[in-house]
Order: sequence, then structure tokens, then C-alpha cells
Amino acid sequence: KAGVTQTPRYLIKTRGQQVTLSCSPISGHRSVSWYQQTPGQGLQFLFEYFSETQRNKGNFPGRFSGRQFSNSRSEMNVSTLELGDSALYLCASSWTSGGTDTQYFGPGTRLTVL
Amino acid sequence: SQQGEEDPQALSIQEGENATMNCSYKTSINNLQWYRQNSGRGLVHLILIRSNEREKHSGRLRVTLDTSKKSSSLLITASRAADTASYFCATALNTGGFKTIFGAGTRLFVKA
Repeated sequence: KAGVTQTPRYLIKTRGQQVTLSCSPISGHRSVSWYQQTPGQGLQFLFEYFSETQRNKGNFPGRFSGRQFSNSRSEMNVSTLELGDSALYLCASSWTSGGTDTQYFGPGTRLTVL
Repeated sequence: SQQGEEDPQALSIQEGENATMNCSYKTSINNLQWYRQNSGRGLVHLILIRSNEREKHSGRLRVTLDTSKKSSSLLITASRAADTASYFCATALNTGGFKTIFGAGTRLFVKA
């Protein structure tokens, strides 16, 4: 069974631009969660989607948004990029809720904002 | 501050030795999970222990959970150089939906 895939793997943007990251979960998984990882803040929860509905959201500004499609694939969007948005963005999928079930992580998208 | 806090922040041992990492958390949890991450890559799930369990084993890994002390430990026995990685504990907070909170992690270095 294929694992969680994320595209692109690396991305370089400039301040003020917007970016869309994509995550394809393991087949059959309905929950997708997104995390931001930085050296200073560590791993921080962004949001979780289940059956196309956002079920939970972390403490991030409204510039961070996401969505999930009927095939469970998910995208996250960051608008008006800031230097501090440079990070590794990880998505994880699970059968049910990411909080009660094992999460399987993708390799991440490394975003650099110049 | 974060829900989960690992201790120590860094650990350096010789191959063959055991490595113990601890995690403390603040609020009631549904379960606690341990993950490994190699050099800024994706996380690999190691073990999930539910709040009604006290101990779990998986190969060379042993996890304990003490809900009265709000703490967990991960023991890696007979460590190998390939175990060199960062290890994170994660707890699930029920806030209407579940929010997974990660600790800062323990960086383990196993010398060959």
C-alpha cells in the first residue's frame, strides 16, 4: 500500500506570495492532519480534516487554510507569506480521528520564504 | 507551553546500551504516541498507548504510561547506530475534535 505523499517536496517563495501544498493520504484513510515544524517552535498542529470537514484547528492566523476533497486528498494554502512561515510542513493520515488513531506521516514539504 | 515535554533534550550513548526518554504532559489524554524522525524527514510512528494501558512492547521498544503522574517513558534496548534520530511524544487533546500536541523531542545519538 502506498504511503502518504506530499507535493512538492521543496518550495522557495518570496514574501507576500501565496503557496498551496498537497497531501495524498493512504488509500482508505479519511482523516488528514497538517503540522508545521520549525527549529524554534517544534511541531505544531495546524488543522485536521475528516470527510471534507475541518474538525479541529490550531493557533495559526487566518492566512493558513486548508481543504479536503471527496477522495480524501487535502491541500493547505498559506497566503501573504512571511519569513517566519519557512518551515517543514507535514501531513499525516489516519483511518479515523488523528487523535485516537495511529497517524502516518508524509515526507513533508520544505518551504523557504525569502 | 507545549502539552508534552520530553526529557532529556539530547542523549548520547554507545551502541548496545539502553536509551530511556521521558515525556510529561499536563492534561487528561485519550492516548499517547511516540514517533521517530530522522534528519528533518517525516515522522515514523512507533507505539500508541491508550490511557487505560500501563505498558506496551514492540520489538526493542518498551513504553510505559503513568496517568497519575502524567508521564510516559520510552525505552530502547540494545541500541544501534540506526536508532540515531529525534524522538517525540504526542498526546491527543479532546477539544470537540482531537488535537494532537507534540513535545519538543529528544535527540538521540548512538555511537558505533
